[in-house]
Amino acid sequence: NIVLTQSPASLAVILGQKATISCTASESVNKFGINLMHWYQQKPGQLPKILIYNEFSRAPGIPARFSGDEAELNFTLTIEPVEADDVATYYCQQGLTFPLTFGSGTKLEIK
Amino acid sequence: QVKLLQSGAALVKPGASVKMSCKASGYTFTDYWVSWVKQSHGKSLEWIGEIYPNSGATNFNEKFKGKATLTVDKSTSTAYMELSRLTSEDSAIYYCTRSELGAWFAYWGQGTLVTVSS
Repeated sequence: NIVLTQSPASLAVILGQKATISCTASESVNKFGINLMHWYQQKPGQLPKILIYNEFSRAPGIPARFSGDEAELNFTLTIEPVEADDVATYYCQQGLTFPLTFGSGTKLEIK
Repeated sequence: QVKLLQSGAALVKPGASVKMSCKASGYTFTDYWVSWVKQSHGKSLEWIGEIYPNSGATNFNEKFKGKATLTVDKSTSTAYMELSRLTSEDSAIYYCTRSELGAWFAYWGQGTLVTVSS
């Protein structure tokens, strides 16, 4: 199985600053030149919501404050500037091989 | 618009089974795989498996083989998941989702809370 290691487990960021969440895959998630790495936001008591799919494509309605990047097997979700509404847990997920797997989550709080 | 409407919460006894539903609307049901995802309280997400309504083909997480059975009713655009031989470890929220190309999930049902307790 592809293991996704997320860090940090929790993160406190000052409003208006940058939050960077990492997700390291145990092996490649690349298919035909596209990294099948996706990011979700889950606010307390709510459903997961897709933010970024296929490594860096923003889902419809997602502001440009959210961006995805990749360096080798290390994927990052960046939120800049952070707003109060961004308090949530963020998950990465790979879509290359079965079983589809999720990271353990990063809880974002406002400092 | 795309909607996935799941059945309500269930309280079931250990050793029993539970079957939950996911009714799709707003798109052609047979064109997309439907995945099921488990979220235990306060924990991360686990992919259980998926079913292709057009053919009934399935793919499973090995961990859930023998635990979960996936079916569909094309006439009502409804997907079902049955969980068998329930234990406390099966207490969780279960989501159905529509899989997009690249195996990501844009649309989620509201979740079905399953509580296993005597």
